Amino acid sequence: QSVLTQPPSASGTPGQRVIISCSGSSSNIGNNYVYWYQQVPGTAPKLLIYRNNQRPSGVPDRFSGSKSGTSASLSVSGLRSEDEADYYCAAWDDSLSGRVFGGGTKLTVL
Amino acid sequence: EVQLVESGGGLVKPGGSLRLSCAASGFSFSNAWMSWVRQAPGKGLEWVGRIKTKTDGETTDHAAPVRGRFGISRDDSKNTLYLEMNSLKTEDTALYYCTTDRRYDILTGYYYYGMDIWGQGTTVTVSS
Repeated sequence: QSVLTQPPSASGTPGQRVIISCSGSSSNIGNNYVYWYQQVPGTAPKLLIYRNNQRPSGVPDRFSGSKSGTSASLSVSGLRSEDEADYYCAAWDDSLSGRVFGGGTKLTVL
Repeated sequence: EVQLVESGGGLVKPGGSLRLSCAASGFSFSNAWMSWVRQAPGKGLEWVGRIKTKTDGETTDHAAPVRGRFGISRDDSKNTLYLEMNSLKTEDTALYYCTTDRRYDILTGYYYYGMDIWGQGTTVTVSS
C-alpha cells in the first residue's frame, strides 16, 4: 500500500484532457511540495512537475499540476499517443522522514 | 553531457552484501542532493534514501524498509554516489536508480528542484 493514493489507470482519446489525482495526508502533501514523474516502460522516470505546479524546461505546457489541501492532481491536455506512460506523484513525508511515491497511474491513449 | 551511470548490481544470496556506485558528470555533483530510488519488477517507484551536500552536513535519510541495512555515501572528489547494501532480502530485488534530489547550478545561480537527472539503473537480484 502506497502512502500516496493514485488511481491505477486512466485513459483518454487523442486531444482530450485527462486528470490524474494523488491523495495524501497532512504529513506529506498537506505540508510539502508535490512532484510528478512520467515513466515510459523500459526507461528511467522523467520529472514533469516540481513544487506543485512548476514545469522544468522542455516539458510541454500541456502538462500542469495543482495542489489543494492534502490532494494534488496532474492534468494532461491535448492528449497525444506519446503521453502513454506511467505517472507517479511524490512528496516528502514529515512523519516518515522520507520521500513517498504514489502507486502510479497507467495512462492509456485510446 | 549531463549523466548519471550506475554500476555494481548483480546476483547475491539472501543475507549478502553489495555496493552500488553512481558516477556523475556534466553538472556540479558536489552541489547536488542525491537519492536512490528502486523499482521492483512490474512494480512502482520506491524511494530508498538520500544524502545532502557537504555544505548541508552530508546528512542522510533512509526509507524504513532499508534503515539499518543500507547506507548512502558520496565522494565529491570522484563525483560518485554509493549505496552500501547489507543483510539483503529477496524483497530488495529491484532496478536501482541514482537520481538528483535538489541541485544548485553554480553557472546560472539557479536551484533545480525535484529528481531531474536519472541514471539508467542497475539491477540487483537477491535469490538463493
